[in-house]
Amino acid sequence: NAGVMQNPRHLVRRRGQEARLRCSPMKGHSHVYWYRQLPEEGLKFMVYLQKENIIDESGMPKERFSAEFPKEGPSILRIQQVVRGDSAAYFCASSRLAGGNEQFFGPGTRLTVL
Amino acid sequence: GESVGLHLPTLSVQEGDNSIINCAYSNSASDYFIWYKQESGKGPQFIIDIRSNMDKRQGQRVTVLLNKTVKHLSLQIAATQPGDSAVYFCAEKRREAAGNKLTFGGGTRVLVKP
Repeated sequence: NAGVMQNPRHLVRRRGQEARLRCSPMKGHSHVYWYRQLPEEGLKFMVYLQKENIIDESGMPKERFSAEFPKEGPSILRIQQVVRGDSAAYFCASSRLAGGNEQFFGPGTRLTVL
Repeated sequence: GESVGLHLPTLSVQEGDNSIINCAYSNSASDYFIWYKQESGKGPQFIIDIRSNMDKRQGQRVTVLLNKTVKHLSLQIAATQPGDSAVYFCAEKRREAAGNKLTFGGGTRVLVKP
């Protein structure tokens, strides 16, 4: 039973480019969460999605960031016109139930903006 | 603002000794707490959880204690091993939070000395 998959594991972008981060939840999980982690800090919640729905995006920056979880395929976190401050590790987690407490995390995507 | 935080940023422990990692939270509406272990370059790994209607829960070599009076959470690791070297995060979920948004503390690095 494969865990949460994220790709790419490492992504390098120049300022102004777009970054696309992908997350495939565990089999049977239909709830996806994105978190951002700066070096030596805890994870910060960004967005919670179910299939085709954004449930809570209270942690998402208002501009340049968007997320989707289509009916088919992985969840995508998209960052447009990246800036150096976007450099961080982005983690995806999934859970099976809407009220389920346990979230399983993927290995993360480390974004570096030059 | 309300947050989850840790007292000690780094903990050095001799192999075989017990480790205690502390965490404070400020939101009395928190009803579920989790400890995660994060090794370098990896995503957070679930260790143990506890609900607010409990004050103690034990797992394999780990015990979580919850003191709601002082809003304090601790993780005890028995007979610490080199493989326990990692950063440990506490996280909490609040009763009123939409979905399963987790709020993470800043992390404690545990270094196990042979």
